[in-house]
Amino acid sequence: AQSVTQPDIHITVSEGASLELRCNYSYGATPYLFWYVQSPGQGLQLLLKYFSGDTLVQGIKGFEAEFKRSQSSFNLRKPSVHWSDAAEYFCAVYTGGGNKLTFGTGTQLKVEL
Amino acid sequence: DAGVTQSPTHLIKTRGQQVTLRCSPKSGHDTVSWYQQALGQGPQFIFQYYEEEERQRGNFPDRFSGHQFPNYSSELNVNALLLGDSALYLCASSLLGSYEQYFGPGTRLTVT
Repeated sequence: AQSVTQPDIHITVSEGASLELRCNYSYGATPYLFWYVQSPGQGLQLLLKYFSGDTLVQGIKGFEAEFKRSQSSFNLRKPSVHWSDAAEYFCAVYTGGGNKLTFGTGTQLKVEL
Repeated sequence: DAGVTQSPTHLIKTRGQQVTLRCSPKSGHDTVSWYQQALGQGPQFIFQYYEEEERQRGNFPDRFSGHQFPNYSSELNVNALLLGDSALYLCASSLLGSYEQYFGPGTRLTVT
C-alpha cells in the first residue's frame, strides 16, 4: 500500500536560514508527488508538484523540491526562510484509481526571528 | 474566480447526533473529495464524488455518507457522532482525471 513518511514532526529554523523538509514515499508505480502548506486554522495550499521530467521542481513562495527515485524521497527546500513561512507542511502522493491523495503526518515549521 | 468554499466554518455537536457539512467546488471543477484531518495528523481520504456518484471510498464506516448535486456541490453527512469524529473536515475539488486538487478552508467539527 502507498504511504508517505515525514520523519520530522517539528523543525525550528532562524529567519534567513535555509530549510529542508524530508519526505519519503512508498508507492509501486511512478509517483505523482505534492507539497502542501497549511497555516493555522486554514485549508491546504499547493506549493509544488512533481509528475515527470526534471526532478527539481519549482513552486510558489520560493520553494523547490527534488525527486530522487533511488531514495524514494521528495524533499522540500528553501534557501532563505521568512517568518511568514511558519506553518505546517504536508507531503502527499497521488494514487491512481480515483484522484486520491495519501498524506504524511506533517512537519510543523517554527521560524525564530 | 471563487475557490472552494465550505460551510459552516465551525460546528459543535453532541455524541449521537447527526451533522451535514457542505462544499462548493472551484468554478469549472466536477469532482469533489472529502478528507478528515484529526488534530496533529495529515488528512485522511473519506470518499470522492463525480457525476453524483461515489467513485472511491477510504477506510471510513458507513456512518459517513455523502451526496453530490447537479451543480457539483457536495454534502458530507455523519450519523451517530462519536467523540473521535472531532476533526477538521476538508473538501477538495478537481477535474476528473486531473492530479491537482484544490482545498477549501475546512469545517472544524467538535463532538462533545
